[in-house]
Parts: sequence; C-alpha cells; structure tokens
Amino acid sequence: DQQVKQNSPSLSVQEGRISILNCDYTNSMFDYFLWYKKYPAEGPTFLISISSIKDKNEDGRFTVFLNKSAKHLSLHIVPSQPGDSAVYFCAASLPSGNMLTFGGGTRLMVKP
Amino acid sequence: KAGVTQTPRYLIKTRGQQVTLSCSPISGHRSVSWYQQTPGQGLQFLFEYFSETQRNKGNFPGRFSGRQFSNSRSEMNVSTLELGDSALYLCASSLAGGSAEAFFGQGTRLTVV
Repeated sequence: DQQVKQNSPSLSVQEGRISILNCDYTNSMFDYFLWYKKYPAEGPTFLISISSIKDKNEDGRFTVFLNKSAKHLSLHIVPSQPGDSAVYFCAASLPSGNMLTFGGGTRLMVKP
Repeated sequence: KAGVTQTPRYLIKTRGQQVTLSCSPISGHRSVSWYQQTPGQGLQFLFEYFSETQRNKGNFPGRFSGRQFSNSRSEMNVSTLELGDSALYLCASSLAGGSAEAFFGQGTRLTVV
C-alpha cells in the first residue's frame, strides 16, 4: 500500500515557465512533508519542507503548497531552469521520528 | 560544515557474504536513518537510530541490522547477501527527533554478484 504517491513519472517544461510537481498521500497522521531533488547515483538533496499546520512555504524559486483536506501537496518552481532537470521526490513523516515515506519520484526535464 | 559522509562509495560482494556500510552524520545531528533505493521499489526506509537506540524500523528482514555509536556515527550490516540486495544505500542525518529535515549522504552502491 503506497502511502505517498507521485502519479506523474515525468514532466517536461520550457525554460522560464512554471514547473508543478504533485504528490498525494493517504495517511492523515503525516505531519511533515519534504521535497528532494535527486541525480542518478547520488543522495537526495533537500529542497523545501512544510509542516501540516501550514498551507504554504516559500524559498526563492520553490514554493510548496499543502492541501490537507485533499491530502495533496505540490511543488512549484518558478522560473524553471535547465539545471532543475532531475528526479523530484516528495516525502512525508510521522510525529514519532524521522522515518520518511517517499513517493516514486517525478523526472523533470527543463528544455532550454 | 561537512555533510553526511558514507563509506565506501562502491562495493562488490558475492552472494552469501556480509557487508558493513558506514555513515558519519553532520556534526551535531543525533538522528541517523538508512534507506535502500532500487529501481523496482524506489526509496525505502530501513531503520532510524537516535541517541544510540533504534527508534524506527522498516519492513526488511533481520539480515539487515544497524547500530549507532556515542559520536552518532552509524553502521549498517547486511548478512547472507542476496542478489536482490544490490541497491544504493543512503544514510540521512537529522538534527533532532521528529519532523526535521533529513540531509542525505552520497550513498553506497552495493552490487551483489
């Protein structure tokens, strides 16, 4: 049973435009959500996070939105740059510790 | 500030052998978690250690074990290796317990032949 899902395996966006990556979860006990960027054969790089008590968090070009009633979060990247091309993972954690449940990832390709 | 360091980066082992992987967390971080990444299963949680105690455990067989030392460094061990254990093993460190950003190391690529 996948508790965190990223339904789009890939996304292609033109440079300068907005990239929107989506993530759905089923466990209402998750209280913290994170986005990571990953290149092949490397560890994930932390991008941005959001607590369940908020509905938006912004850091530079990256904004994460959380809709608790829909159990949905999204990552917006504006403007998208070719260097943003990577696989993006959303992850969720429970209050009891740092055990992250990851989605399957979305490969983002930003075309020049 | 140094990041999370994992050693070795690459490893080739034979079926039936055992392997030990090492992780040094970011200075001051007390929580260390381990994850396995495979093409078929994605990123899966193995276990988490906090202050030398295993706090959470994922759904992996007992062949997978770990420990944490007083300086927060952690090791994970896989015994009786199987071909399916071939994966990228990732270590993550966090500052405190519960709902904190986890920072990952580069990973150890284990190949079992």
